[in-house]
Amino acid sequence: DAGITQSPRHKVTETGTPVTLRCHQTENHRYMYWYRQDPGHGLRLIHYSYGVKDTDKGEVSDGYSVSRSKTEDFLLTLESATSSQTSVYFCAIMGGTEAFFGQGTRLTVV
Amino acid sequence: RKEVEQDPGPFNVPEGATVAFNCTYSNSASQSFFWYRQDCRKEPKLLMSVYSSGNEDGRFTAQLNRASQYISLLIRDSKLSDSATYLCAVNKGGSNYKLTFGKGTLLTVNP
Repeated sequence: DAGITQSPRHKVTETGTPVTLRCHQTENHRYMYWYRQDPGHGLRLIHYSYGVKDTDKGEVSDGYSVSRSKTEDFLLTLESATSSQTSVYFCAIMGGTEAFFGQGTRLTVV
Repeated sequence: RKEVEQDPGPFNVPEGATVAFNCTYSNSASQSFFWYRQDCRKEPKLLMSVYSSGNEDGRFTAQLNRASQYISLLIRDSKLSDSATYLCAVNKGGSNYKLTFGKGTLLTVNP
């Protein structure tokens, strides 16, 4: 399995609080991604990174920010969590042209 | 038109059946194509890449039709263990790799 881990795996937070999800890889891959998965919507790209300090928006980036200060870590931050951000979040790395996913983070905003 | 569209499903088939999934994509410049499998409450895992010449892996066959902009996945002699959600994915390529996924199709194989 690709060396990619997400933390935390589960989180419950209150509306309006900041939340940071971490993705860590041991594969030294350049490309990293954050997706969210919701019933009826499938996997949607939030942000991605193509190198240290190089990031770009995906299709559902509003309300999210990311940072990548080193190759192995890609952080996703919800500045002020809302109930609409309750979802399962997956981090992925691109090895060649194929993506490998972390185990996901289940985030509930109450 | 959405970038990637899939049969909505769900598909319920008996063991031993043949089942086919289709997926269309809107960007004719797309370069790479994939099928992923996702089990309930798990992460998606790569099932197979899809090549222009078509490719086969045991009971699974994937095909690409660039002219009509669709990819397909055929599962022969389906097993109970094939029950999962199948997601197609398309990579537009170019300078930045971004995988766009279909919404997925749920397959249930019944005894």
